[in-house]
Amino acid sequence: GAVVSQHPSWVICKSGTSVKIECRSLDFQATTMFWYRQFPKQSLMLMATSNEGSKATYEQGVEKDKFLINHASLTLSTLTVTSAHPEDSSFYICSARGGGAYNEQFFGPGTRLTVL
Amino acid sequence: AQSVAQPEDQVNVAEGNPLTVKCTYSVSGNPYLFWYVQYPNRGLQFLLKYITGDNLVKGSYGFEAEFNKSQTSFHLKKPSALVSDSALYFCAVRDYQAGTALIFGKGTTLSVSS
Repeated sequence: GAVVSQHPSWVICKSGTSVKIECRSLDFQATTMFWYRQFPKQSLMLMATSNEGSKATYEQGVEKDKFLINHASLTLSTLTVTSAHPEDSSFYICSARGGGAYNEQFFGPGTRLTVL
Repeated sequence: AQSVAQPEDQVNVAEGNPLTVKCTYSVSGNPYLFWYVQYPNRGLQFLLKYITGDNLVKGSYGFEAEFNKSQTSFHLKKPSALVSDSALYFCAVRDYQAGTALIFGKGTTLSVSS
């Protein structure tokens, strides 16, 4: 299957700082990318959907000013957690899908964010 | 709206016994169904998927799942469990015509004892 990478795999930051997480589709063009958040031993919660060149669509309850998503190219999407607080600590997983409604979603390995 | 239900938080089986992890779904159109497995502090690993065709889908590591449209279910099964199968299992669904994101169930922890 197609490969999706995330960087960094883990990050520790101080409260109040911003953190950027990159998601790349390595061998296909991702017209749509998704960002999920997972708390320990819980399910993946969809945060937002982004199409290349368009503004992201956020799920209800997700603060778009706090979680900035940029999908500037067909192989790269970034999630920036602004003014991070300890409650933002979580496992963030990106997913990418190529063109066409039937195409499969491929998942990145996830990024563990810890805010001190 | 799409939704997935995994009614069991945990399933316990003895090694060598068959296992079943339950999943029911709700979508407005035709479903596109997946099973993933997750080991501690790791990303998701794809097990199998159903798009169309044969209701019995065979996947990785000896797992299989049966799509039952009348019961809106997609239970994961394996004839003989291994201790190494112990992990967190997620069922996911989307309406493949709508092109929306995968929606995940809450997950089921499978514990296989030796």
